Amino acid sequence: DSGVTQTPKHLITATGQRVTLRCSPRSGDLSVYWYQQSLDQGLQFLIQYYNGEERAKGNILERFSAQQFPDLHSELNLSSLELGDSALYFCASSVWGGNTGELFFGEGSRLTVL
Amino acid sequence: AQSVTQLGSHVSVSEGALVLLRCNYSSSVPPYLFWYVQYPNQGLQLLLKYTTGATLVKGINGFEAEFKKSETSFHLTKPSAHMSDAAEYFCAVTSSGGSNYKLTFGKGTLLTVNP
Repeated sequence: DSGVTQTPKHLITATGQRVTLRCSPRSGDLSVYWYQQSLDQGLQFLIQYYNGEERAKGNILERFSAQQFPDLHSELNLSSLELGDSALYFCASSVWGGNTGELFFGEGSRLTVL
Repeated sequence: AQSVTQLGSHVSVSEGALVLLRCNYSSSVPPYLFWYVQYPNQGLQLLLKYTTGATLVKGINGFEAEFKKSETSFHLTKPSAHMSDAAEYFCAVTSSGGSNYKLTFGKGTLLTVNP
């Protein structure tokens, strides 16, 4: 158990809909990262938050947004969903935003768009 | 820019045999290198990492990896495979002057262990 909690574990929805994925980081971790994992693209970094502030952006679509709340949990919002958004979405956390490379991953939220 | 190439998307070994998973990286600055493991239906877990110092690094579950600058490689090995090692393994790189969000992952190698 990494200590990172993600909900929901599975989600099935239709094209055009909007969903929210939730992540609670490990106790004490200030940084939260969102990754998308798909068969064709592999693991793609989406966005990082550090102590409530956006720290870095990766390959995140404009239809997607995220935030980190004062209690440090984070939400990833995916809107106007397309079939290609079907993937496993991981949240990871670390103590700070440095370069130790040690990220603690949740078990992921599997999104299926029909 | 950084990149990671994992040679072989699928490696199959017999129980008790040597495990060798290959990783080559590209980085314009001194790299920090990592191996992560993903068991079925779980998130990624750090196996081991190289930042500076000793080039042979030991990780959990009997795995080790050697940083070879001249070959730009960071191959993962284990002398004797166990059934519980069946998982997907990811090599990752970031730079000594970078941040965690710059962690670049390879496409992964699925390890199958046959009885």
